[in-house]
Amino acid sequence: DAGVTQSPTHLIKTRGQQVTLRCSPKSGHDTVSWYQQALGQGPQFIFQYYEEEERQRGNFPDRFSGHQFPNYSSELNVNALLLGDSALYLCASSFGGGYQPQHFGDGTRLSIL
Amino acid sequence: SQQGEEDPQALSIQEGENATMNCSYKTSINNLQWYRQNSGRGLVHLILIRSNEREKHSGRLRVTLDTSKKSSSLLITASRAADTASYFCATDGQGAQKLVFGQGTRLTINP
Repeated sequence: DAGVTQSPTHLIKTRGQQVTLRCSPKSGHDTVSWYQQALGQGPQFIFQYYEEEERQRGNFPDRFSGHQFPNYSSELNVNALLLGDSALYLCASSFGGGYQPQHFGDGTRLSIL
Repeated sequence: SQQGEEDPQALSIQEGENATMNCSYKTSINNLQWYRQNSGRGLVHLILIRSNEREKHSGRLRVTLDTSKKSSSLLITASRAADTASYFCATDGQGAQKLVFGQGTRLTINP
């Protein structure tokens, strides 16, 4: 039973570029949440998708957008990259509710030069 | 902003000793969860305690919750080298459909 998978594992971009990160949830899960984790910090909630709709959003600018597909997989898009966007981006899945126990992928390490 | 604050920020103990980590939060909650993160990996869910529960056990883990003080503690008994990781508490922030994490406690178990 595959857990949460994320791709790519590492990515290097330059300022101003755009990036797309991908996530496949754990089998049987229908809710996907995205988090940004800066070095030495706890994860910060970006947004959550359920039934292909953004259900909840954290304090992130509109440069951060997402999508959920009918198979429950999800993408995180970040436009106009800034140096401060360098972080580990984590995807988590759950069934039904946003505050149920979350299953996390190992993340995508994004570095902005 | 992060609701939870873990204390201490870092903890180093000898293998076999017990480790206690504390978490404080600011607003009312439905539940509180603890997660572990090994270096460079994703988070792993350890235990969930509901707001109407005071204590919960899972193997070598014991979690307590005091809603009057808005605080929780995680106790790991008989620590092992494999317990070396960062530990985070997370709350649901006034019933919102999201988790709000603290900054974590870095636990090091010395052999």
